[in-house]
Amino acid sequence: DAGVIQSPRHEVTEMGQEVTLRCKPISGHDYLFWYRQTMMRGLELLIYFNNNVPIDDSGMPEDRFSAKMPNASFSTLKIQPSEPRDSAVYFCASSFPPTGANVLTFGAGSRLTVL
Amino acid sequence: EDQVTQSPEALRLQEGESSSLNCSYTVSGLRGLFWYRQDPGKGPEFLFTLYSAGEEKEKERLKATLTKKESFLHITAPKPEDSATYLCAVRGGGGSYIPTFGRGTSLIVHP
Repeated sequence: DAGVIQSPRHEVTEMGQEVTLRCKPISGHDYLFWYRQTMMRGLELLIYFNNNVPIDDSGMPEDRFSAKMPNASFSTLKIQPSEPRDSAVYFCASSFPPTGANVLTFGAGSRLTVL
Repeated sequence: EDQVTQSPEALRLQEGESSSLNCSYTVSGLRGLFWYRQDPGKGPEFLFTLYSAGEEKEKERLKATLTKKESFLHITAPKPEDSATYLCAVRGGGGSYIPTFGRGTSLIVHP
């Protein structure tokens, strides 16, 4: 398996533009997570899905952020409109049963810079 | 609310100089403590899971230990390739299946 695949790896955009980050989890993993990592706050959970259904989105900072998982092999995290404070590395991770959500396999991340 | 505090924030060692990283935690009923390694430009990579006080896990030069309040990641005779950020995470018994991460310890091992 190629692991968790994220795209794009790097994104530079201007304030106010829409940003879409993409994730392909490992086949057979039934949990999918979106995290954001910054120097100030470390690794923060934004939202997670179980069997394509959003379970907890309490970490999503505000309505500008949205996430979808239309099928078991694809998820998106969208920011609209983007702001400079959204600059961070965004990680997608998935988890394999029967360990449930305990052990996560992370993608390589998408580094977002909002100018 | 589960809390994880890691120390030190950064650690510089000479090759062969053994040391330990600390992870202090507060949870309601520990369901698991996890160590991850993160290399620059990459996502965290799972190392160990510990479930109960007194438990130990080893992998090459790394040994993780667990007490009721903290975990240690012991690094014996480190090599430059051990340089990375080490993240600790805990899962409590509050009903959430999601681990809470600490901010990590950045380790640099000089040759």
